[in-house]
Amino acid sequence: DIQMTQSPSSLSASVGDTVTITCQASEDISHYLNWHYQKSGKAPKLLIHDASSSQTGVPSRFRGSGSGTDFTLTITNVQPEDIGTYYCQQYDNLYTFGQGTKLEIK
Amino acid sequence: QVQLVESGGGVVQPGRSLRLSCAASGFTFNSNAMHWLRQAPGKGLEWLALISDDARTTYHADSVRGRFTISRDNSKNMLYLQMNSLRTDDTAVYYCARDDSGLHWGQGALVTVSS
Repeated sequence: DIQMTQSPSSLSASVGDTVTITCQASEDISHYLNWHYQKSGKAPKLLIHDASSSQTGVPSRFRGSGSGTDFTLTITNVQPEDIGTYYCQQYDNLYTFGQGTKLEIK
Repeated sequence: QVQLVESGGGVVQPGRSLRLSCAASGFTFNSNAMHWLRQAPGKGLEWLALISDDARTTYHADSVRGRFTISRDNSKNMLYLQMNSLRTDDTAVYYCARDDSGLHWGQGALVTVSS
């Protein structure tokens, strides 16, 4: 099974900051990685597919990058509505999620 | 617009069975593979099962293989998850999702397994 390790597990940022969430796969998954966002009490929502392609309607401040085993989600100019939990998910071999990164606003 | 609406959740005793349904609309259902996933209270996301667009191929996670079965009826635009031998650790919000350049989620249905 492919394991996905996300870091940090939580972070606190000020409005306008740039934050970075990393996700490491236990083996090479090429670009087969998605990022999802979940607001508390709501269903998850797809942000980024194929490691770096933004889903329609996602603000341009969200950017995904990486390939192989190391991936990054960068949020520039963090806004209050960005609070919630972010998950990476691989689909190279079935489907596995990272443990999530909870973003809070200072 | 695209909609996925889960139903069939509720409270069930350990050892009993439950069938979840997911009604799809707003897209060509028989053109997409479909998934079931879940989220236990306060926990992360867990993938459970996948079914191909034509229903010929299914995959199940090790944690539910042999107890849960994914199926679909393309004539009705419906996805199903049959859950047998339920355990207390199956308590979770269950989501169906469309596979189309990534997973697109329904709103979820809560299943509580408790005596």
